[in-house]
Amino acid sequence: KAGVTQTPRYLIKTRGQQVTLSCSPISGHRSVSWYQQTPGQGLQFLFEYFSETQRNKGNFPGRFSGRQFSNSRSEMNVSTLELGDSALYLCASSPGLAANTDTQYFGPGTRLTVL
Amino acid sequence: DQQVKQNSPSLSVQEGRISILNCDYTNSMFDYFLWYKKYPAEGPTFLISISSIKDKNEDGRFTVFLNKSAKHLSLHIVPSQPGDSAVYFCAARTSGGSNYKLTFGKGTLLTVNP
Repeated sequence: KAGVTQTPRYLIKTRGQQVTLSCSPISGHRSVSWYQQTPGQGLQFLFEYFSETQRNKGNFPGRFSGRQFSNSRSEMNVSTLELGDSALYLCASSPGLAANTDTQYFGPGTRLTVL
Repeated sequence: DQQVKQNSPSLSVQEGRISILNCDYTNSMFDYFLWYKKYPAEGPTFLISISSIKDKNEDGRFTVFLNKSAKHLSLHIVPSQPGDSAVYFCAARTSGGSNYKLTFGKGTLLTVNP
């Protein structure tokens, strides 16, 4: 089975712009979670989607949003970019049906740099 | 408040010896724990997991131990190999209500010397 794929791998934007990141989960997986990794805060949960619905949400401002399509692919959008949004954005895929046993598998990440 | 703590930022061991990575948590609602290995600029790679109904889980060279009363888990790697050199993250989850949010520790950099 192919793993989790994320596009693009690298992105450079300027403050005030918006950005859209894409994630394709492992075939058959219906849950996609997004995480932000920064040197200061580590890995932090953004949100999780299952069957096109946001099921869990972390403590990020409303500038961070996402959606999931019927094929389980997910996109994450960040509007009005700030310098502090520079980070590695990771998505994780899992079957989504058994929170007490499911493993979450991560993609390679998108490195976003905001200038 | 950091709910998952990896108090050792780094660990250095000799090839062939045992590596022991530790993780403490404060949230008693956590009931599923995972260990990931990560190289720079790559996504975390899943290693092993354990449910709170168990106190040990093994997979090849990797064993995870869970002490619920102490809210402590550890990852043992035996024997350690130079290719194991990476940052190791402990992550925890509460499974109630279809919760898929993982809370991560800050990671421990493991260096295995040949």
